[in-house]
Amino acid sequence: DGGITQSPKYLFRKEGQNVTLSCEQNLNHDAMYWYRQDPGQGLRLIYYSQIVNDFQKGDIAEGYSVSREKKESFPLTVTSAQKNPTAFYLCASTELAGRSSYNEQFFGPGTRLTVL
Amino acid sequence: GNSVTQMEGPVTLSEEAFLTINCTYTATGYPSLFWYVQYPGEGLQLLLKATKADDKGSNKGFEATYRKETTSFHLEKGSVQVSDSAVYFCALGKHTGNQFYFGTGTSLTVIP
Repeated sequence: DGGITQSPKYLFRKEGQNVTLSCEQNLNHDAMYWYRQDPGQGLRLIYYSQIVNDFQKGDIAEGYSVSREKKESFPLTVTSAQKNPTAFYLCASTELAGRSSYNEQFFGPGTRLTVL
Repeated sequence: GNSVTQMEGPVTLSEEAFLTINCTYTATGYPSLFWYVQYPGEGLQLLLKATKADDKGSNKGFEATYRKETTSFHLEKGSVQVSDSAVYFCALGKHTGNQFYFGTGTSLTVIP
């Protein structure tokens, strides 16, 4: 089955530690995204990538870093510089608009990060 | 700029009641419009979509019509069920830059 996987589902971090959230897709999508969701709130874009080895900052990139070494993988690192990292993190992917009339985003199941 | 304004919740309805969740958008050009649903602890799932003016998206009894004249994409369902309890997000997709813009979400609770 094609889809997006995120791991782990739950992650606990001590203050001052960096942690990496995994996102893998087998949909052959070019573009991938990371969002942060806080309780009762909408989605805020952290980073996105439209092609391997290239990515752009979203609205709340400070304290986060990403890499895109392979088309199917887009890991997110939450660094110690992120002051309030406890949140639900969602990864998404989409085909580039030129290849499809529909550019809906497909989402993974999410990772809940808690800072202890 | 591009943005989505969504009806604030939470919304509580009795089973079999009629549902409307309002969504309006601001965009340049011709965006695609989407409704997503999120169940507790899960990611977002696409509920329905429309890619041009006057298109009607529909799925699982939910409907929404792309109204360019009123820049709206309101979600409706004639008879809600307890299993429809979730958070609903309206979203706008721009081909240029492949950017998505989400509303803040509307929490729906359906009581028996």
